[in-house]
Amino acid sequence: KAGVTQTPRYLIKTRGQQVTLSCSPISGHRSVSWYQQTPGQGLQFLFEYFSETQRNKGNFPGRFSGRQFSNSRSEMNVSTLELGDSALYLCASSPTGFGYGYTFGSGTRLTVV
Amino acid sequence: GEDVEQSLFLSVREGDSSVINCTYTDSSSTYLYWYKQEPGAGLQLLTYIFSNMDMKQDQRLTVLLNKKDKHLSLRIADTQTGDSAIYFCAESPPRGSQGNLIFGKGTKLSVKP
Repeated sequence: KAGVTQTPRYLIKTRGQQVTLSCSPISGHRSVSWYQQTPGQGLQFLFEYFSETQRNKGNFPGRFSGRQFSNSRSEMNVSTLELGDSALYLCASSPTGFGYGYTFGSGTRLTVV
Repeated sequence: GEDVEQSLFLSVREGDSSVINCTYTDSSSTYLYWYKQEPGAGLQLLTYIFSNMDMKQDQRLTVLLNKKDKHLSLRIADTQTGDSAIYFCAESPPRGSQGNLIFGKGTKLSVKP
């Protein structure tokens, strides 16, 4: 059974640019959540999608957005990148969400220069 | 408090037991998790405990839950050098939010030969 796949693994972008990260969940999982991991703030919840709808959102500015497609694959977008957006972005999938059964991908390491 | 709290570092000798402690925030959290993160990798689910349980054992891992004190611990028996990693405690609070986990800052476990 394939795990959660995140692409790309590494990304370097310039301040002011935008970036799109991709997450393919485990087959049959309909919930996809995104987290940002930084040394200072630790792991912080960005948002969760279920059946193409954003069901829950963390406390991040509107520059951070996401979407989910009918096959449950999800993308997150960050516009007008800032140096502080440099982080490991982790995606987790779950059959239904609701606090159970999360499997994480290996993450995308974003560096903003 | 508002944060999931863990001590930042733990050092043990190979073959000893390791105990990693965590204090969580919401007594009504449904699931409590332990994740492991190795350098450059995503989060690996080690084990979880449902809130109506006091203890769960899974091979070398023992999880103890004290709901009254909102305290969770992870004991690793016969700790090996391959157990060196960062261990995250996480809770899944049901306070109207679905799809997000709240993480501690992580405990870095160092195992000395």
